[in-house]
Amino acid sequence: GAGVSQSPRYKVAKRGQDVALRCDPISGHVSLFWYQQALGQGPEFLTYFQNEAQLDKSGLPSDRFFAERPEGSVSTLKIQRTQQEDSAVYLCASSAGLAGNEQFFGPGTRLTVL
Amino acid sequence: QKEVEQDPGPLSVPEGAIVSLNCTYSNSAFQYFMWYRQYSRKGPELLMYTYSSGNKEDGRFTAQVDKSSKYISLFIRDSQPSDSATYLCAPGSNDYKLSFGAGTTVTVRA
Repeated sequence: GAGVSQSPRYKVAKRGQDVALRCDPISGHVSLFWYQQALGQGPEFLTYFQNEAQLDKSGLPSDRFFAERPEGSVSTLKIQRTQQEDSAVYLCASSAGLAGNEQFFGPGTRLTVL
Repeated sequence: QKEVEQDPGPLSVPEGAIVSLNCTYSNSAFQYFMWYRQYSRKGPELLMYTYSSGNKEDGRFTAQVDKSSKYISLFIRDSQPSDSATYLCAPGSNDYKLSFGAGTTVTVRA
């Protein structure tokens, strides 16, 4: 596709449920990022992949958060046992190269945990 | 203190005015600087990208970076109602992460 796509666009979960958020990066992009954006705030870095390797997961808020990119293209962010504080927009971005390259964002998945 | 501080706004300007948006940062390792525009319920859209001190112009947009004072700005000339959005500054360093400001919401009144 022409841009980064994410699905679902909206997700409502009951507290304690597991959720999986999908990201399809721009074809051929080496780098993939996940960010979390709380209401009224800028995006906060969660994790970074270079191809299939997860090089940095320092931004993941707890061990309930897990991300993977097994074939170096599509990525999934999984949140186990969701909590109300997990409610946010989860943004995926991809980049053609490594550090210093422009990051292109998807539309995000808005997660609401009740 | 956050790594990136952005004027909180919101800003409301008449159509045709110049919009001035500012950020300061504390991390000397930041090497490149991006500005993103985010419409409501959309993902951030890259507007400007620069990696040196000075000015970079693209149409009605000018990005200004002063590394010595750790100050970055975005100017929008001849603002249009379609420029109404939240603007995010996002410096980055060689560790590939972007550090975003909280965003400034701009409304351009027709």
